[in-house]
Amino acid sequence: ETGVTQSPTHLIKTRGQQVTLRCSSQSGHNTVSWYQQALGQGPQFIFQYYREEENGRGNFPPRFSGLQFPNYSSELNVNALELDDSALYLCASSLAPKSKNIQYFGAGTRLSVL
Amino acid sequence: GENVGLHLPTLSVQEGDNSIINCAYSNSASDYFIWYKQESGKGPQFIIDIRSNMDKRQGQRVTVLLNKTVKHLSLQIAATQPGDSAVYFCAENDDGGQFYFGTGTSLTVIP
Repeated sequence: ETGVTQSPTHLIKTRGQQVTLRCSSQSGHNTVSWYQQALGQGPQFIFQYYREEENGRGNFPPRFSGLQFPNYSSELNVNALELDDSALYLCASSLAPKSKNIQYFGAGTRLSVL
Repeated sequence: GENVGLHLPTLSVQEGDNSIINCAYSNSASDYFIWYKQESGKGPQFIIDIRSNMDKRQGQRVTVLLNKTVKHLSLQIAATQPGDSAVYFCAENDDGGQFYFGTGTSLTVIP
């Protein structure tokens, strides 16, 4: 186990709704990255948080937003849900935001949008 | 970096044989690579990493080889066991915060 915990494990929403996913990073890790993994695909980077600020973003629209708290835990918020947002959302924590730091993943939150 | 890909989407091996999983990457600036294992219903699990100043790195039963000339990465698993059955991803990093993942190779170990 990596020590990265995510909640909830599963979630069902309808199109147009909003969702908040939560992540607790591994002890000692100050950086949290979020990824979206569609079925049969590799994870796609959404964004990274470091020192409570966004520290890099992938090709995702502004309705994907996040927060990081002083204890390094993080939230991913998605507004105006679309059917294509159905995926496994993964959180990864690392010792620092720079490269050459292993990202350790949680088990993910499975989001289904109906 | 977004074109990390794998040569074979599926691989079946007999228990006890060695497995080789290949990965091609396109970003010459990538200088750090990780292999992850993902079992059904779980998040990716770190297996082994390698920096671009190395050609080979060994772990317990696993070896990663990096050929920067042809931008190719491979993961070798010795004496493959049923517990090794999973999807394997290579991920690359070009000194930024994000890792770029390929589509994965599904490894099935036949008892």
